[in-house]
Amino acid sequence: QVQLKESGPGLVQPSETLSLTCTVSGFSLTSYSVSWVRQPSGKGPEWMGRMWYDGDTAYNSALKSRLSISRDTSKNQVFLKMNSLQTDDTGTYYCTRGPHPLDYWGQGVMVTVSS
Amino acid sequence: DTVLTQSPALAVSPGERVTISCRASESVSTGMHWYQQKPGQQPKLLIYGASNLESGVPARFSGSGSGTDFTLTIDPVEADDTATYFCQQSWNDPPTFGGGTKLELK
Repeated sequence: QVQLKESGPGLVQPSETLSLTCTVSGFSLTSYSVSWVRQPSGKGPEWMGRMWYDGDTAYNSALKSRLSISRDTSKNQVFLKMNSLQTDDTGTYYCTRGPHPLDYWGQGVMVTVSS
Repeated sequence: DTVLTQSPALAVSPGERVTISCRASESVSTGMHWYQQKPGQQPKLLIYGASNLESGVPARFSGSGSGTDFTLTIDPVEADDTATYFCQQSWNDPPTFGGGTKLELK
């Protein structure tokens, strides 16, 4: 069955870089795209960016200068790196299958930006 | 960016019919999707393309609309439907989400 699982640190220092990994199973990264979505507590989600099935990437312009998405198809993994983190980057980060719609979601990883 | 506006909260009794609305700041054609999120869980896709029921989702859920005005209907509502419901548009770049409607049962 289709599964996605995020992993990474739960606590990041302000101004530091966030690195997250999404490990997928049940589908191929060369056939499906994977998106990253984040959600501050009690608020609506925000689409961050996408790794297309062909290896191309797309980013939310609001985050583009700080964000990088890459992948390792041999390991079925998609990576997110975002630099210069601030307190308003605190929230739950999800990887999801899609461009549209987002039909499968990982359980999410809670990231707190704090010193 | 396309702003999606939802009412913050609704309260209904089990067995009733409820409609949750989502208004877009510009046309999104039928590129609208609906998700259900229960506390502590990830969002779950309910409706895609404005009116298509995702596989495995009960037929009590339905979606309608096009352009700027969309509706998610649950009929009849059950106790397990207590959750926050988000709309999301994929027609304009970047994809955006509404702020969510929290559905409570009386």
